[in-house]
Amino acid sequence: SSELTQDPAVSVALGQTVRITCQGDSLRNYYASWYQQKPGQAPRLVFYGKDSRPSGIPDRFSGSSSGDTASLTITGAQAEDEADYYCNSRHTLHHEAFGGGTKLTVL
Amino acid sequence: QLQLQESGPGLLKPSETLSLTCSVSDDVSDGSIRNASFYWGWVRQPPGKGLEWIGSISHSGPTYYNPSLKSRVTISVDTSEIQFSLRLTSVTAADTAMYYCARLYTDYPYNFFDPWGQGTLVTVSS
Repeated sequence: SSELTQDPAVSVALGQTVRITCQGDSLRNYYASWYQQKPGQAPRLVFYGKDSRPSGIPDRFSGSSSGDTASLTITGAQAEDEADYYCNSRHTLHHEAFGGGTKLTVL
Repeated sequence: QLQLQESGPGLLKPSETLSLTCSVSDDVSDGSIRNASFYWGWVRQPPGKGLEWIGSISHSGPTYYNPSLKSRVTISVDTSEIQFSLRLTSVTAADTAMYYCARLYTDYPYNFFDPWGQGTLVTVSS
């Protein structure tokens, strides 16, 4: 089982807002990082830290954190946002953890 | 822009040793393998499943492994060749997966993998 827990699947209507959550004790100490993975592609970092997006990631992607829960919010979801999303955090003793992933469907 | 590329055999038999290499383009403006700010990691993904961290290494040598794989895994770095490697012994069908290498930035409280290689599929079958 993963030290980070994500909902297996979430859906959102086109243009609406969706929040994907990640829960785990390590999130009390480290910010989560979030990855988007489309079929046949490698994961791609879409958000990290308190409020950072890599170059080229649309500003509709944002993140937040409270206690042991981190969230990735997509404001105005687009068809191209349909993908699997994974959270990651440093666990204990220099170990890394990934959430089980959330499959996002854009309706 | 930094780029990573995995390479290695795609098909193994049970009990064999998996050996993969990740070549890192040496972009000094973006952070080379010798930069102490970064670690270098391996992540795998079985078909249809989620991401699993295998291990990470810094340029100076400290190495950290997933406890579930620790007895079979070795990660090493070759700064002269600008690459790092993964070795996994005694493979079984459960080790069939897409294997990714990625750069890891970790400086409390920040931690993220970026960029990633395109991945290489390793299949274990008799």
